[in-house]
Amino acid sequence: QQQVKQSPQSLIVQKGGISIINCAYENTAFDYFPWYQQFPGKGPALLIAIRPDVSEKKEGRFTISFNKSAKQFSLHIMDSQPGDSATYFCAASIRGSTLGRLYFGRGTQLTVWP
Amino acid sequence: GAVVSQHPSWVICKSGTSVKIECRSLDFQATTMFWYRQFPKQSLMLMATSNEGSKATYEQGVEKDKFLINHASLTLSTLTVTSAHPEDSSFYICSARAYKGQGVLDYEQYFGPGTRLTVT
Repeated sequence: QQQVKQSPQSLIVQKGGISIINCAYENTAFDYFPWYQQFPGKGPALLIAIRPDVSEKKEGRFTISFNKSAKQFSLHIMDSQPGDSATYFCAASIRGSTLGRLYFGRGTQLTVWP
Repeated sequence: GAVVSQHPSWVICKSGTSVKIECRSLDFQATTMFWYRQFPKQSLMLMATSNEGSKATYEQGVEKDKFLINHASLTLSTLTVTSAHPEDSSFYICSARAYKGQGVLDYEQYFGPGTRLTVT
């Protein structure tokens, strides 16, 4: 059973546009929601993360919106650039748990056209 | 800070041989390390979780005798693929979870750059 559902699977955006990737979860015990960026042949890198006590977090061009009641969160990339072309994974975890296992979405392959 | 290295970055081996992959947290200590496997255009699949000084916990469907994990210290975990076969060819990624108070994000998981294994 997929603990975190991510959409779309792929996304094509023109340079300067807004990229939006959505994720949904079921387990209300999750209290940490990170987004990772992965380039081909590389490991994932933490992009931005949010806790459920806030509805939005912004870091530069990247914003996470969080809707606790709907159990959904999304990543917005403003002014998308060709260098943003990568695969993006949302994830969820119970941060204070002993192991802190991450549950990943299936990923979104973003292509930004110049 | 918060750098995780993997060695080797890529390896080609013959079917039937064993391959060891190292995962090191370079500037922090990690009580827990995770090993993932990733197929092309797919998500990360957790294989096992290892805690320093104790046996690894494997996910359902992952063969313990085939994928041997040793978490020898707070900065080193190794994955040994024993008697490798072509179907074991994949991208293997480790992550290290920092515990509190080390100057990096508490409890954050930091990922290594991955190891590409090709079994011929």
